[in-house]
Amino acid sequence: GDSVTQMEGPVTLSEEAFLTINCTYTATGYPSLFWYVQYPGEGLQLLLKATKADDKGSNKGFEATYRKETTSFHLEKGSVQVSDSAVYFCALLNAGGTSYGKLTFGQGTILTVHP
Amino acid sequence: NAGVTQTPKFRILKIGQSMTLQCTQDMNHNYMYWYRQDPGMGLKLIYYSVGAGITDKGEVPNGYNVSRSTTEDFPLRLELAAPSQTSVYFCASSYSMSAVAPNEQFFGPGTRLTVL
Repeated sequence: GDSVTQMEGPVTLSEEAFLTINCTYTATGYPSLFWYVQYPGEGLQLLLKATKADDKGSNKGFEATYRKETTSFHLEKGSVQVSDSAVYFCALLNAGGTSYGKLTFGQGTILTVHP
Repeated sequence: NAGVTQTPKFRILKIGQSMTLQCTQDMNHNYMYWYRQDPGMGLKLIYYSVGAGITDKGEVPNGYNVSRSTTEDFPLRLELAAPSQTSVYFCASSYSMSAVAPNEQFFGPGTRLTVL
């Protein structure tokens, strides 16, 4: 079945540091890929997405490129802020067959940014 | 628009009790989902619905039931609460899910449930 693996956390950075959170996936066919963010005490929000190979999703300074050759969708940001502290989830959508577009989530990576 | 709303925010149950987690969306979405989030485990799909009157099991349906009598509401029922059901529960909805142009899932704020 489909699966998503994220880098082990938690990740602790100083403000303005460079961020990378690794995400790799296993799936049949051509899934769509997502990054969701969960701020403390809140539900998940879509951060960015990519629907096909070599697509780059971007939002709020975050970027991720859909790499089919390495089955990866790593999240990057050039300069993190304290307000980026949250849990980040990588997810894939494989809408083939009878799946009705269910999301498969990675385990989440806790990011803490210090001033 | 309120988006996806969930009640209650917190609940403590005793083993064997039952309860219903409420979920309502005002975006006229066809698709609705229930997930549970356990620490360090990501989200697991419990049940989903592709429209009023149509529901199906996800990855971890045991111990839960759902119904979908209207487009707006998708309640989750726990009949005999067990400690293994201690978790945070999220409801989500989406307009559709297309492989070509997938649509975003919108999540509610969650219900934190403890079973003692």
